[in-house]
Amino acid sequence: DVKVTQSSRYLVKRTGEKVFLECVQDMDHENMFWYRQDPGLGLRLIYFSYDVKMKEKGDIPEGYSVSREKKERFSLILESASTNQTSMYLCASSPIIGGTYGYTFGSGTRLTVV
Amino acid sequence: AQRVTQPEKLLSVFKGAPVELKCNYSYSGSPELFWYVQYSRQRLQLLLRHISRESIKGFTADLNKGETSFHLKKPFAQEEDSAMYYCAHNNAGNMLTFGGGTRLMVKP
Repeated sequence: DVKVTQSSRYLVKRTGEKVFLECVQDMDHENMFWYRQDPGLGLRLIYFSYDVKMKEKGDIPEGYSVSREKKERFSLILESASTNQTSMYLCASSPIIGGTYGYTFGSGTRLTVV
Repeated sequence: AQRVTQPEKLLSVFKGAPVELKCNYSYSGSPELFWYVQYSRQRLQLLLRHISRESIKGFTADLNKGETSFHLKKPFAQEEDSAMYYCAHNNAGNMLTFGGGTRLMVKP
């Protein structure tokens, strides 16, 4: 069974902390994505990567950065966590023509910043 | 900017009733549209895509270019259909833009 694995299901962090969210896929997909999911707002794209060491900003990149050192791993970094970053974070991957065939999502990481 | 709009945040129907979840998009070209579903405590998963014209779990969705809509329909709702549903559009960059989601509640 193909998988996108997010390392933590729940995280609680303090304001100002540096936070790392990890995502690993085992499908040899080129594209990887980070979304945040908020009620009423749907899924909003934070960053995506179409190749190792490549990254592009999505719709809401402020306060976030990403790292993709290996094809299978895509990390989301909150440089200095704030309470408005409390949310569900979803990682997804897709093959190079991913839009046509859809994405595979991870289970999500629910982050609470206190 | 391309947008996907799901006007209803919550849709509540009784078991056996027809259900229609609305989705409208703004895109001038030939759209690629999808419906994703997230059941309670499960990951978001692809339900169907318009290019394959398939019916999954009794759901269908027809692209109406004139009305720029891609509504999801099922003639007889089941309790297990209760979930969060997202409409999504694939833009030219192979990225999906999602709507705000509709929570479907099917009451017994």
